[in-house]
Amino acid sequence: NAGVTQTPKFRVLKTGQSMTLLCAQDMNHEYMYWYRQDPGMGLRLIHYSVGEGTTAKGEVPDGYNVSRLKKQNFLLGLESAAPSQTSVYFCASSSYPGLVSSYNEQFFGPGTRLTVL
Amino acid sequence: GQQVMQIPQYQHVQEGEDFTTYCNSSTTLSNIQWYKQRPGGHPVFLIQLVKSGEVKKQKRLTFQFGEAKKNSSLHITATQTTDVGTYFCAGYNNAGNMLTFGGGTRLMVKP
Repeated sequence: NAGVTQTPKFRVLKTGQSMTLLCAQDMNHEYMYWYRQDPGMGLRLIHYSVGEGTTAKGEVPDGYNVSRLKKQNFLLGLESAAPSQTSVYFCASSSYPGLVSSYNEQFFGPGTRLTVL
Repeated sequence: GQQVMQIPQYQHVQEGEDFTTYCNSSTTLSNIQWYKQRPGGHPVFLIQLVKSGEVKKQKRLTFQFGEAKKNSSLHITATQTTDVGTYFCAGYNNAGNMLTFGGGTRLMVKP
């Protein structure tokens, strides 16, 4: 099993350009997440999905859109990139989370390093 | 909203010394998870604590969950260079669908 994969690994954009980051998981997980990580800061949740066809806002959703058309894929879109969106983006997936009795770790992809000039 | 804070932000230790990172939440947590991120890598799950006052050990790593379920700690005994990385704690919100991460503690070990 590949686990969680992300494409691309690196990308440089100019301000105002758009792009889509792709996340794929082969663990049949219901929940998927997009985080951004900035230097000296933890991971901040952008958007998440609790199942195919559903999406929800996280802590920092502005400037991003997401789609979950297939259970195994979660796409993150930037419609008009800004320098403030320069960051490392991580996708993660998990089985049903938050259940106290469940062993519900999140599995992370390798990340996408995005620079917006 | 829920806030999770970690201290210290950075820690330099000599190989063989002990290391501790502390995690505090603004709200009571249903459970807490710890992750490790090696330099240039992605976060990897270490452990989950669920019960009030729970203590779990993984070799040289000891994890504790506070009695009030609002704080946690990770203690590493006799650090090794392989322990280098950033350690994050994370707690779920009441709805159980969002994990809030602390800012992490970056551990550097001098050989």
